[in-house]
Amino acid sequence: GEQVEQRPPHLSVREGDSAVITCTYTDPNSYYFFWYKQEPGASLQLLMKVFSSTEINEGQGFTVLLNKKDTRLSLNLTAAHPGDSAAYFCAVSEPSNTNKVVFGTGTRLQVLP
Amino acid sequence: EAGVTQSPRYAVLQEGQAVSFWCDPISGHDTLYWYQQPRDQGPQLLVYFRDEAVIDNSQLPSDRFSAVRPKGTNSTLKIQSAKQGDTATYLCASSLRQGGAETLYFGSGTRLTVL
Repeated sequence: GEQVEQRPPHLSVREGDSAVITCTYTDPNSYYFFWYKQEPGASLQLLMKVFSSTEINEGQGFTVLLNKKDTRLSLNLTAAHPGDSAAYFCAVSEPSNTNKVVFGTGTRLQVLP
Repeated sequence: EAGVTQSPRYAVLQEGQAVSFWCDPISGHDTLYWYQQPRDQGPQLLVYFRDEAVIDNSQLPSDRFSAVRPKGTNSTLKIQSAKQGDTATYLCASSLRQGGAETLYFGSGTRLTVL
């Protein structure tokens, strides 16, 4: 089945800097991808759902890039602020069963003022 | 619209004790998922239902874990004889069937500690 590796496990940046989190997945036929944010003690909140036909996906304060050739998905937080401090998880739907979503191990982001 | 509701929020047990977790999905969502999230790891799927039917429970430790969704709405996940290795947050999520991959909406989870 699908396997997802996420890096780095921990990331600390200064306010205003960018932060990049990267996931690699194993099944090149995968075509649905997700990024979730989890604040301490809270539930996972969907940041963005991405379909494989779109390589560059713009959100509010972030960009999600999909590189199908390298089976890599990245989240780029531009001009990070302390409110971005949280755990971030990528997730990939298995192409054989899109209800089965495989999550990465997470990145704990700390944005320092 | 109310989100996914889970209870209890926390549970602390001795090894060998039983515990049940309860989940109320978003109204109208036909698919319900239970995930296990160990500390500092990503969620791992245990089981999911479409209405009242179990669709996939291949990752559920069947000797000690059970999950039901008898009326296709609320769901209960039970651990019969907890082990220290079960210490984790148990997340419930729900989704609505649609074309393509469904978006999962998560509850706040139940944080289980087994001593």
